[in-house]
Order: sequence, then structure tokens, then C-alpha cells
Amino acid sequence: EAQVTQNPRYLITVTGKKLTVTCSQNMNHEYMSWYRQDPGLGLRQIYYSMNVEVTDKGDVPEGYKVSRKEKRNFPLILESPSPNQTSLYFCASSLGDRDHNEQFFGPGTRLTVL
Amino acid sequence: KQEVTQIPAALSVPEGENLVLNCSFTDSAIYNLQWFRQDPGKGLTSLLLIQSSQREQTSGRLNASLDKSSGRSTLYIAASQPGDSATYLCVTDSWGKLQFGAGTQVVVTP
Repeated sequence: EAQVTQNPRYLITVTGKKLTVTCSQNMNHEYMSWYRQDPGLGLRQIYYSMNVEVTDKGDVPEGYKVSRKEKRNFPLILESPSPNQTSLYFCASSLGDRDHNEQFFGPGTRLTVL
Repeated sequence: KQEVTQIPAALSVPEGENLVLNCSFTDSAIYNLQWFRQDPGKGLTSLLLIQSSQREQTSGRLNASLDKSSGRSTLYIAASQPGDSATYLCVTDSWGKLQFGAGTQVVVTP
């Protein structure tokens, strides 16, 4: 089944403890991206990657890191999480073709930073 | 910076009525616009994708139009059903940079 998977789905952690949220897709997509969703602010793009080893900042990159060492994986790293990073996070992927660029989203990761 | 606005923010209709959801955007230099639905606490389900060269897309009871020059898209849902209750999001894609609207929360009452 074609899908985007995220792990973990739920995470409670403490301030300053480094964490990684994994994102993987099995559709051979070139493009991958990360978003956070907060009440009243909607969905905002954190980082995106057009291809392996190519990443760019979205609207809210502060406090996050990403890497794209292989096509199928795009992990989101919080080196020193803070309570204001408590949010619902989504990963997405697409072909990256201008004419065929439908976005597919993962199920989400609910992160709580205490 | 692209700004995407969805009006109305919330909508309640009786079952069987047609739904009209509006999305406007400030920068017409987009590659495509996509409509999603999101159920409470859940992920995003893709409904329709309109390429920048297209004027509309249809899937079943759903029809979406796109007018790039005026920066507007409209999602029509015919003969609404209680199962259509959800939040509907429009998203513009400017080659990698995606911008979401805040969504329209729809309630269809039996």
C-alpha cells in the first residue's frame, strides 16, 4: 500500500531532551516536507526537500533540523525541544513533478514537551 | 509571502444542501492548488488537485474551480451528507513552498 508513515504517533518528552520523528514514504517521491498544526494558526511548513541532500526552510524552521540522506526518509530532529514546540506534526510527500504534484500526508505525530 | 484565506470559517447546513467553500490567495504564481478534508484529530485526506493550467476538477459530488488571475478557488459539494462534516483546507503550492488556509469547518445536520 502506497503510504507515508510517521513514528512515533504520540510522544511526551521533557524540555531539552533531543528527539527525532521519522517520516518514510514508499512511493519513490522526490519531494518531502514537514508541517506543524496549532489551534488558531493552522498548518505551517517547517522544512521541505526537493530531492536527496537538498533541503529548504519553510515558514517556521527555528528549533528544527532535517536531513535527506536517502529518498524515502526525511526525519525531523528537535535538538533541544521546548514547550512551544508542543504541536501536531505532519509529514508529506509528492512526486515533485510540476504537472503531477499531489501531496500525500502521513497520519501525524502528536508531540507534547513538558 | 503567499497568504491564503478561506471564507467562511464555519458553515452549518441541513443534509441535502449544496456546499460552497471559498479560498483566496494573494500570489498567483502557483503550480497547483489542492483541497483536503481533515476530521478532528486526524490526518489530511486529499480531495482534488487543480493544476495551474486547469480551470476545474471534478470527482463525484465534488467540483473545484480555479481562477489564478483573480486568486480564487471554490470547492462545491453537491447534495451534502452528514459524512461530509469535517474541516476543509485549501493549499497553494509554489514549487515546494506550501501555504495552507485556516480551513472551513463544515457541519451537515441530518
